[in-house]
Amino acid sequence: QSVLTQPPSASGTPGQGVTISCFGGRLNVGSNSVNWYQQLPGTAPKLLIYNTDLRPSGIPDRFSGTKSGTSASLTIGNLQAEDESDYYCTVWDDALNAVIFGGGTKLTVL
Amino acid sequence: EVQLVESGGGLVQPGESLRLSCVDSGSVFRHHWLHWVRQAPGKGLDWVSRINNEGTFTTYADSVKGRFTISRDNAKKTLYLQMNSLKVEDTAVYYCTRDPYVIGAFDIWGQGTVVTVSP
Repeated sequence: QSVLTQPPSASGTPGQGVTISCFGGRLNVGSNSVNWYQQLPGTAPKLLIYNTDLRPSGIPDRFSGTKSGTSASLTIGNLQAEDESDYYCTVWDDALNAVIFGGGTKLTVL
Repeated sequence: EVQLVESGGGLVQPGESLRLSCVDSGSVFRHHWLHWVRQAPGKGLDWVSRINNEGTFTTYADSVKGRFTISRDNAKKTLYLQMNSLKVEDTAVYYCTRDPYVIGAFDIWGQGTVVTVSP
């Protein structure tokens, strides 16, 4: 079981918004930057959000990240069919002295 | 364009060793921290190890500490992962990744190389 807790699944309809949560603790989410990845089946992950709320070049502004205390969130606005994917949060953990990943959330676009 | 290409995966028995390589076909390899991340079949992402840009500082996940060694040769633009005493639970796709901000934000990934440990 991961130190970072994500819901195993989420869903939404095209055009809607959906939020995926990532719950951690004081020594990981509470202290460090959170990053988010999208992973399509059979492919390497892609960085969506870094440093909690920044988007790499080429990532649409439909994707946004926030953090409050020991929880972080990824919000996808104007949901599109191609957003159906697995999403992971990750952060450095000061106690484990390691990068930790959330268990992943499978997003279904209905 | 920076591309990372892993190689060295394969099928081995428990207790055996493998050395993974990751070659950077671009030109910014030497300036960045690099990591190995793995993904077991049907499972989530699992961080393995990291190394600083000069190759003088390394960190490992507890699950591989003492068995795996990360290293790099900046002149050859190659990252390595020496894996000894392999266990069945090390079976996974292994990815090398770049961490330009040193915050675990991996902006470039290789395509992955498959390691299978089976009796």
